Amino acid sequence: AQSVTQPDARVTVSEGASLQLRCKYSYSGTPYLFWYVQYPRQGLQLLLKYYSGDPVVQGVNGFEAEFIKSNSSFHLRKASVHWSDSAVYFCAVSGNSNNRIFFGDGTQLVVKP
Amino acid sequence: GPKVLQIPSHQIIDMGQMVTLNCDPVSNHLYFYWYKQILGQQMEFLVNFYNGKVMEKSKLFKDQFSVERPDGSYFTLKIQPTALEDSAVYFCASSLDWGVGEQYFGPGTRLTVL
Repeated sequence: AQSVTQPDARVTVSEGASLQLRCKYSYSGTPYLFWYVQYPRQGLQLLLKYYSGDPVVQGVNGFEAEFIKSNSSFHLRKASVHWSDSAVYFCAVSGNSNNRIFFGDGTQLVVKP
Repeated sequence: GPKVLQIPSHQIIDMGQMVTLNCDPVSNHLYFYWYKQILGQQMEFLVNFYNGKVMEKSKLFKDQFSVERPDGSYFTLKIQPTALEDSAVYFCASSLDWGVGEQYFGPGTRLTVL
């Protein structure tokens, strides 16, 4: 069965601190992995994606994620967060056998000034 | 970047009525999607649509649901009749390609069925 687990519903960090948002997935087949961000009253925006190759993928605004197959994880990281990073972050998985995306519950990131 | 628009942003209707949710996808995209998110739950795939036809649908896509994109205009999700459990935020998405094609999402329509 396909699923995505984001164990942290809310994460609070101070501006300038490092960040890790956790994501674990279950997918029967070759997974395509995504992180999306949603700002208030806006649609989901793609931060980064992993299809194959280098397991560390770089995204927009200094975000990166690492695909660890042995752990079925795809955690999102940023070295130094900014207050404007406050948003809801969704981890998601898809595959080449179909075109539907399976989403996690989302993690609300709050960056304190 | 490319934007997907959804109209209206919020719709309130009485149970049993019909509702149509409208999506204006990215102009050159060929594949269209609807996802449903009940408050506090995960966003879940409903249906995808290409070349005038439903390609895939999930078990959430009940018989009361239908989608169409007449003459390349809005991609619509119609629910007739509505039920209380249809209350949710509905997200539209579009992509240029199948499979690894990046899906661009709209801001969602919040549907409240009373």
